Amino acid sequence: GQNIDQPTEMTATEGAIVQINCTYQTSGFNGLFWYQQHAGEAPTFLSYNVLDGLEEKGRFSSFLSRSKGYSYLLLKELQMKDSASYLCAVLDSNYQLIWGAGTKLIIKP
Amino acid sequence: DAMVIQNPRYQVTQFGKPVTLSCSQTLNHNVMYWYQQKSSQAPKLLFHYYDKDFNNEADTPDNFQSRRPNTSFCFLDIRSPGLGDAAMYLCATSKERGTSGEQYFGPGTRLTVT
Repeated sequence: GQNIDQPTEMTATEGAIVQINCTYQTSGFNGLFWYQQHAGEAPTFLSYNVLDGLEEKGRFSSFLSRSKGYSYLLLKELQMKDSASYLCAVLDSNYQLIWGAGTKLIIKP
Repeated sequence: DAMVIQNPRYQVTQFGKPVTLSCSQTLNHNVMYWYQQKSSQAPKLLFHYYDKDFNNEADTPDNFQSRRPNTSFCFLDIRSPGLGDAAMYLCATSKERGTSGEQYFGPGTRLTVT
């Protein structure tokens, strides 16, 4: 079966750095997405990785290791507005998105 | 601004009373998706349309139907809602199928079944 694993919940402090991990087992791989979802709202696109390595975009970076089936999302200089769920999703061999259940990130002052 | 629009944002229906959720897009994307998302769970794909080509997920209940009368609009019909169908319903689009393009989501419709 296809599976995406990420922690259910994480807590971090405003101004700090947090890393949210995602491991996956899917039938084929055509890239990995990270989406941010605030409570009661739709997911919004953060990043896309298809090659190994780190992609940096402002305060957010995303890393991929295809051989390990592993990705992480790194958030720097945390702000209160970063409190949200972060969803990892993998595009499988049929170009279907397989979603993780999301990691709820709680930011404390 | 080009976008994905869902109406209504909040819908209350009675147990067993048919309900229709609507989605429209101004992105001119070929692919439209309907997802069901329950609290603290991953979005679950119900259907997707590539142009007029309808694709039903194997585990989508028969109680759920969809229509796409034209490129811009897509509807989700729930024929006899049960209490277990209470969820957020997300419409999304992507430019093409079979590519690595991101999906663009509408704001969602939160369905309550009483």
